[in-house]
Amino acid sequence: QSVLTQPPSASGTPGQRVSLSCSGNSSNIGSNYVYWYQQLPGTAPKLLIYRNNQRPSGVPDRFSGSKSGTSASLAISGLRSEDEADYYCVAKDDSLSGPWVFGGGTKLTVL
Amino acid sequence: EVQLVESGGGLVQPGGSLKLSCVASGFTFSASTMHWVRQASGKGLEWVGRIRSKPNGYATAYAASVKGRFTISRDDSKNTAYLQMNSLKTEDTAVYYCASDYSVLFDYWGQGNLVTVSS
Repeated sequence: QSVLTQPPSASGTPGQRVSLSCSGNSSNIGSNYVYWYQQLPGTAPKLLIYRNNQRPSGVPDRFSGSKSGTSASLAISGLRSEDEADYYCVAKDDSLSGPWVFGGGTKLTVL
Repeated sequence: EVQLVESGGGLVQPGGSLKLSCVASGFTFSASTMHWVRQASGKGLEWVGRIRSKPNGYATAYAASVKGRFTISRDDSKNTAYLQMNSLKTEDTAVYYCASDYSVLFDYWGQGNLVTVSS
């Protein structure tokens, strides 16, 4: 059971906009930054979004992050087949669970 | 180009020990906090622990699931981080990744190293 809650699966068609959610509480998302990572099949995770909504260089602007209260979202617009991957949210946790906690991950399928 | 190259994984019996290494290049290793993250087959990512840089006292922190059994260390002269795993359990079977925290949390990752705990 992960500390941060993500839906196990999501799907969309090419060109569509999808939003992936990540839910926590006041000791993690509610008081700390959220980070998002993309894990393509058989590869190591890759940084996608940091500090809630910042994109590293090289990450397309189709990817965007937001946070409100104790929840965060990753939006992907103009969905492409190469976006099919697992997506994980991470936040610092100020309780005994910490310091860093992951969501269980969402497997995104591009139909 | 930033690279993190892990080694040291393999098969070990329950109760045994194993030490993973993570050699870094392409950035100022000594200035970076280094983390270890693991992933059991078909499962999600789990943070294992971290070691801070020298100015931060080489402070370590661990997940509750490994505290007291795993130890993270580093040798800045060799640009290498280590994960010493003792009293291994079958549930420690996973791919272990090292990840840097140089500019941003987990900004770079190693390729992963499989550790299998089985009799």
